[in-house]
Amino acid sequence: QSVLTQPPSVSAAPGQKVTISCSGRSSNIGNNYVSWYQQLPGTAPKLLIYDNNKRPSAIPDRFSGSKSGTSATLGISGLQTGDEADYYCGTWDSSLSAVVFGGGTKVTVL
Amino acid sequence: EVQLVESGGGLVRPGGSLRLSCAASGFTFSTYHMNWVRQAPGKGLEWVSSISGSRAYIYYADSVKGRFTISRDNAKNSLYLQMNSLRAEDTAIYYCARADGSSPHYWGQGTLVTVSS
Repeated sequence: QSVLTQPPSVSAAPGQKVTISCSGRSSNIGNNYVSWYQQLPGTAPKLLIYDNNKRPSAIPDRFSGSKSGTSATLGISGLQTGDEADYYCGTWDSSLSAVVFGGGTKVTVL
Repeated sequence: EVQLVESGGGLVRPGGSLRLSCAASGFTFSTYHMNWVRQAPGKGLEWVSSISGSRAYIYYADSVKGRFTISRDNAKNSLYLQMNSLRAEDTAIYYCARADGSSPHYWGQGTLVTVSS
């Protein structure tokens, strides 16, 4: 049971948009920055979004992040077959004194 | 360019010990929090431990507390994870990750630890 809650899977056709939710509580998402990671099959996780909505320079603007209260959302627009991967949200939990992750969401391009 | 290279993984029997290493380059190692994060086969990410640049702050997941010890040598730009009393459920890929702020940003390629008799 992960501290942060994500849907197990989402899917959409190429060119469409998907959103992935990440739900937590005040001790984690509510009072700390959220990051999002992409993990392609057989590879290490890669940072997509940090500080709720910032993108590293190499990440295209098709990827976006937002946060409201104790929930965060990752958006992927203009979906491509290369976006098929597992996506994780993560943040610091001030009560647990621990980094916490969501259980991961598998994105499928139909 | 930030580079993190893990080593030290392998096959170990239950109850055994293993020491993982992470060689860092491309940044001022001593000024960053570092993390170990693991991923069991077919499972999600699980944070294991964190250490601040000065070693003043060290944190562990409950699942490894008392068995694992994180450490670092800033002179050698290296991070370590000493794993004792290993269990089958510790089988995973172990990633070294640099934290920017409170969450991991840069990740190594991982090293596989298999605990089996």
